[in-house]
Amino acid sequence: AQSVTQLDSHVSVSEGTPVLLRCNYSSSYSPSLFWYVQHPNKGLQLLLKYTSAATLVKGINGFEAEFKKSETSFHLTKPSAHMSDAAEYFCVVSRSGGSYIPTFGRGTSLIVHP
Amino acid sequence: DTGVSQNPRHKITKRGQNVTFRCDPISEHNRLYWYRQTLGQGPEFLTYFQNEAQLEKSRLLSDRFSAERPKGSFSTLEIQRTEQGDSAMYLCASSSLAGGPQFFGPGTRLTVL
Repeated sequence: AQSVTQLDSHVSVSEGTPVLLRCNYSSSYSPSLFWYVQHPNKGLQLLLKYTSAATLVKGINGFEAEFKKSETSFHLTKPSAHMSDAAEYFCVVSRSGGSYIPTFGRGTSLIVHP
Repeated sequence: DTGVSQNPRHKITKRGQNVTFRCDPISEHNRLYWYRQTLGQGPEFLTYFQNEAQLEKSRLLSDRFSAERPKGSFSTLEIQRTEQGDSAMYLCASSSLAGGPQFFGPGTRLTVL
């Protein structure tokens, strides 16, 4: 069994300040973890992925995430927010290898103020 | 290849009608997934194909829903006797690796009146 919890439904930041979007997961298997972004009226786009290599994962557009097994967390961060980062962000857990069903979190809406 | 495509992008139908959606995955991807997304929620898994074989189907999927992937290329999702609760965005994704990243299409927005 697996599940993912995004701890904040909305996060509001000012442009130029750091971003932190929190994600906790549970999985009976060695997990693969992903963050996706969804801009309004656009498809889901992969930001970054963790698949049991380096625990600090760098993604596109300056985002990164750290896999912490002891805390079962995979939080997404960015040092400095841009207006274009305003979007919905989804944390996803799946099982490494084999047939699987990925589980999406409910999403965190990132709001960026000028 | 420009990515995953879905048609139509929007569909409005009356309750009780049947609808069919199409998904064309990235050509070299042998795995294809269907999801449903409602407002304020994350995508909910519906079904999964590896090549032409339907390997997983959500227990939440009503028997009014059926999906096919003939020849392991494009896929269709049909909803029979639509209900207002079927109104949602239907997303298709493809991937080349089990457990790997998925590439999503733009979705088909269904409105049932």
